Amino acid sequence: QVQLQESGPGLVKPSETLSLTCTVSGGSISSSYWSWIRQPPGKGLEWVGYIYASGSTNYNPSLKSRVTISVDTSKNQFSLKLSSVTAADTAMYYCARGPSGSYNYAFDIWGQGTMITVSS
Amino acid sequence: DIQMTQSPSSLSASVGDRVTITCRASQSISNYLNWYQQKPGKAPKLLIYGASSLQSGVPSKFSGSTSGTDFTLTISSLQPEDFATYYCQQSYSTPYSFGQGTKLEIK
Repeated sequence: QVQLQESGPGLVKPSETLSLTCTVSGGSISSSYWSWIRQPPGKGLEWVGYIYASGSTNYNPSLKSRVTISVDTSKNQFSLKLSSVTAADTAMYYCARGPSGSYNYAFDIWGQGTMITVSS
Repeated sequence: DIQMTQSPSSLSASVGDRVTITCRASQSISNYLNWYQQKPGKAPKLLIYGASSLQSGVPSKFSGSTSGTDFTLTISSLQPEDFATYYCQQSYSTPYSFGQGTKLEIK
């Protein structure tokens, strides 16, 4: 079955760019949408944006000026870059499959998450 | 943007109880409403999609219903493994949004 695994630096300095990668295993990254979702410590979930395998993207307007999501189909990976980070970007970052048309555009498969702390 | 409001924000219940969590959308979202369960230190897990369709492998003790812009998640016969935080999420339009969560605790 499809599994997702996030990877990232753990610690990012303020004003720098956060870079994360999600590796898809057990299935192809093609013909699906893939999202990033984040959760600050002790808080709720925030959708960051999605990418389709073709490369088309859709971002949350609250982050749009700082977000870039890209895909590498040859590696079955997709990535997130978030620029000019501040302490407010400290969160658990999840990658997920979705919006999935087979599930009313829900997020049906999630990675385990990677914690990103923004601190000098 | 569509705002999702969950109630209650926390709920205490006993093993064997039946509980209901409500989610209200700020505008019509048809049946594009999904429910997730999140346990401490774990990723959210999809329970119900399309307001009332049970995700594969999820026990039938979980059910979802809708009335206009109000959506309900019902959990019957609570077991220890059901105590978690539950989130609703609208997939009607971007930016996709989640409710603030309902923490279900053991009484």
